[in-house]
Amino acid sequence: EVQLVESGGGLVQPGASLKLSCVASGFTFSDYWMSWVRQTPGKTMEWIGDIKYDGSYTNYAPSLKNRFTISRDNAKSTLYLQMSNVRSEDTATYYCTRNTMRGVMDAWGQGASVTVSS
Amino acid sequence: DVVMTQTPVSLPVSLGGQASISCRSSQSLVHSNGNTYLHWYLQKPGQSPQLLIYRVSNRFSGVPDRFSGSGSGTDFTLKISRVEPEDLGDYYCLQSTHFPYTFGAGTKLELK
Repeated sequence: EVQLVESGGGLVQPGASLKLSCVASGFTFSDYWMSWVRQTPGKTMEWIGDIKYDGSYTNYAPSLKNRFTISRDNAKSTLYLQMSNVRSEDTATYYCTRNTMRGVMDAWGQGASVTVSS
Repeated sequence: DVVMTQTPVSLPVSLGGQASISCRSSQSLVHSNGNTYLHWYLQKPGQSPQLLIYRVSNRFSGVPDRFSGSGSGTDFTLKISRVEPEDLGDYYCLQSTHFPYTFGAGTKLELK
């Protein structure tokens, strides 16, 4: 069974950094592109970016590119999202997803909740 | 960015009835490779989104044939026939033809 389990969320102060992790199981992690998507409390969905199966290439939403970094460790079957200089508008649930063909996200984690507040 | 306009915002339905959700894009979703990357997701209450339809009309594994997708270019539709209780929730369209990928604002399918 395909499983994606996010962790690392919580309450963080504006301007701080936070790193989310997503541990994958039930499939060969190194065969798949992976993405991060977030959903605001108002339910707006936003694609953050994705990373190639070998970690050699990434795409980002331009609005987040300067503050968010996606990486992966295939030996640990783990996807990461490094968030820096967080703002209140980064408050959201963050999902990691497995991608099949271009942008088709066929498996989602349960989400990690991030709240940015002082 | 490509703007995805999804309508209606809320869709009251009766069990056993039919529902239709529209998604329109601000530019054509036909990729240079000829494929159209328009997908549909359902988020049931308290759950993560789940893939229903990919590339306009292809049902994902395990998705009942009550769900069908159609459309081309900038105009797409998801139809649900014989609505069942487990179909209730928020539906989102997603385009992955153009970067950045963008979602519609969602349609809440609820009981009439």
